[in-house]
Amino acid sequence: AQKVTQAQTEISVVEKEDVTLDCVYETRDTTYYLFWYKQPPSGELVFLIRRNSFDEQNEISGRYSWNFQKSTSSFNFTITASQVVDSAVYFCALSDPTSGYSTLTFGKGTMLLVSP
Amino acid sequence: NAGVTQTPKFRVLKTGQSMTLLCAQDMNHEYMYWYRQDPGMGLRLIHYSVGEGTTAKGEVPDGYNVSRLKKQNFLLGLESAAPSQTSVYFCASSLRQGWDEQYFGPGTRLTVT
Repeated sequence: AQKVTQAQTEISVVEKEDVTLDCVYETRDTTYYLFWYKQPPSGELVFLIRRNSFDEQNEISGRYSWNFQKSTSSFNFTITASQVVDSAVYFCALSDPTSGYSTLTFGKGTMLLVSP
Repeated sequence: NAGVTQTPKFRVLKTGQSMTLLCAQDMNHEYMYWYRQDPGMGLRLIHYSVGEGTTAKGEVPDGYNVSRLKKQNFLLGLESAAPSQTSVYFCASSLRQGWDEQYFGPGTRLTVT
């Protein structure tokens, strides 16, 4: 069965620090998709990135970067020079053939608190 | 273009009462989902739909029913509410498959006393 583990329940940093959120997944399949979503204090989840299993290139988008490593089944998310507005709950998620690619399995989320 | 909307935003029910949560999307998406979010549990899928007239069970379907009579609407019903159903409920939609980006509604906070 597929599974997503976000071992860090809560992380606190001071503004301008770099922070990495860990995501470890389990799947028996070779074709799958990984996602990160952000849930700010307002509550609505926002899509950040999708990565398919055949694309192991790291992705950078402004202060955000993602490191996908199939060898360790990890898809980690790094925020460089964190800002107070980055405070949110971040979810990692997996879509694979177990669900016919119809649904996402979410991790339990990591709450990031960035203080001034 | 409102995206995904949910009605109501808040609701308090007494044990045994029934209610329906409405989700509407104006993006012509095929797939729609209902999740519940509880502290420390992340998001858990209740039911989903892959198109008008279809529904399927997710991870935690017991105590809930759904209907997708129109492509743009996905209703979640609680026939006899229980305190264990106190949660925040999120609706989402995606264009086609589960690998597409999901767009989420603002959530409904439900309390069952």
